[in-house]
Amino acid sequence: KAGVTQTPRYLIKTRGQQVTLSCSPISGHRSVSWYQQTPGQGLQFLFEYFSETQRNKGNFPGRFSGRQFSNSRSEMNVSTLELGDSALYLCASSLELFSGANVLTFGAGSRLTVL
Amino acid sequence: DAKTTQPTSMDCAEGRAANLPCNHSTISGNEYVYWYRQIHSQGPQYIIHGLKNNETNEMASLIITEDRKSSTLILPHATLRDTAVYYCIVRHGSGNTGKLIFGQGTTLQVKP
Repeated sequence: KAGVTQTPRYLIKTRGQQVTLSCSPISGHRSVSWYQQTPGQGLQFLFEYFSETQRNKGNFPGRFSGRQFSNSRSEMNVSTLELGDSALYLCASSLELFSGANVLTFGAGSRLTVL
Repeated sequence: DAKTTQPTSMDCAEGRAANLPCNHSTISGNEYVYWYRQIHSQGPQYIIHGLKNNETNEMASLIITEDRKSSTLILPHATLRDTAVYYCIVRHGSGNTGKLIFGQGTTLQVKP
């Protein structure tokens, strides 16, 4: 069974540009969450999608957005990139809306560098 | 979700058991304890989780104290590949959200 697939794995952008990252969840998983990891702030929750609807959102500015498609695949977008957006962006999926009894499975991440 | 406290770092000899402690003194009755690990620059990997009872799977054992205020992750025979940052997370059993609050974790260094 394929795991969570994130593309691209690495990318370099310049300040002011925008970026779109893609996540394909495990087959059959309907919930997708996104996290940002930086050396200073650690792993931080961005948002979660289920049935094409955003169900929860972390404390990030509006430049960070996402969406989910009918096949559960998800994308996140960061507009007007800043140097501080350089990070590892992680996607995680779960079978249904994540509850205490089930598990999040993470992808390998997309490493974004903003110059 | 309850806050967790973990040691910043630990060492373990290869082949020996690695015992990683976690304190979660404010845990409530319906909060689960999860353990994930992250090997450098990879995505976090699920290890194990539990509510009240001790749990064991092919990777590790989770021992939760009777009062549930602390727990220990046990890797029975640590290998060099177990070198990673280990995160202990406490999460509510309902609420249907994929939000996990990661702390700084414990950096486990397995030495030959």
